[in-house]
Amino acid sequence: SQWGEENLQALSIQEGEDVTMNCSYKTYTTVVQWYRQKSGKGPAQLILIRSNEREKRSGRLRATLDTSSQSSSLSITGTLATDTAVYFCATDAESNYNVLYFGSGTKLTVEP
Amino acid sequence: ETAVFQTPNYHVTQVGNEVSFNCKQTLGHDTMYWYKQDSKKLLKIMFSYNNKQLIVNETVPRRFSPQSSDKAHLNLRIKSVEPEDSAVYLCASSSNNERLFFGHGTKLSVL
Repeated sequence: SQWGEENLQALSIQEGEDVTMNCSYKTYTTVVQWYRQKSGKGPAQLILIRSNEREKRSGRLRATLDTSSQSSSLSITGTLATDTAVYFCATDAESNYNVLYFGSGTKLTVEP
Repeated sequence: ETAVFQTPNYHVTQVGNEVSFNCKQTLGHDTMYWYKQDSKKLLKIMFSYNNKQLIVNETVPRRFSPQSSDKAHLNLRIKSVEPEDSAVYLCASSSNNERLFFGHGTKLSVL
């Protein structure tokens, strides 16, 4: 497996709080992508961070990448109830750059 | 706005039956994918097609077969479904693997 964690994590917070979700990966990758999947929909990309970047921001989102520890995080500031979703990180793999491998995901519930 | 279209949305069938799912993308992408998502939300790559040629098959059982008529279409056929095939099947497309665009998925229930 590409991933260190195989089980869906669950977080429940109140609207307005900040949250950070983490993932770790096992093999070399050129990019880490973060996706969000809302109920009944397919995943949609939120942010992409490359192996030569340590941080990337997009609106309320902030992604970090630490290639030495092979880990990435996604932070959301000032969460809204509409941020409720499952969040995935995804990477390519050294053996197959044409395919994205997804981590197990974090189910985030933001209570209004 | 959705640009990857999957049909049907749901399908209920019995063990041993054959099913087919359709996927069409209107983004002009060269690569299309099928992912399987289980009840724990785990997403696993099944197939990847680049311009009508299969470029990866992640040890999927032989009863699964992708079918592509052109680069905008990638269908999935399951011959003789089994209970463990119950899942959501997600189709995606991309131009360079740096962003995948997913359809809404087809939920398969095998009784």
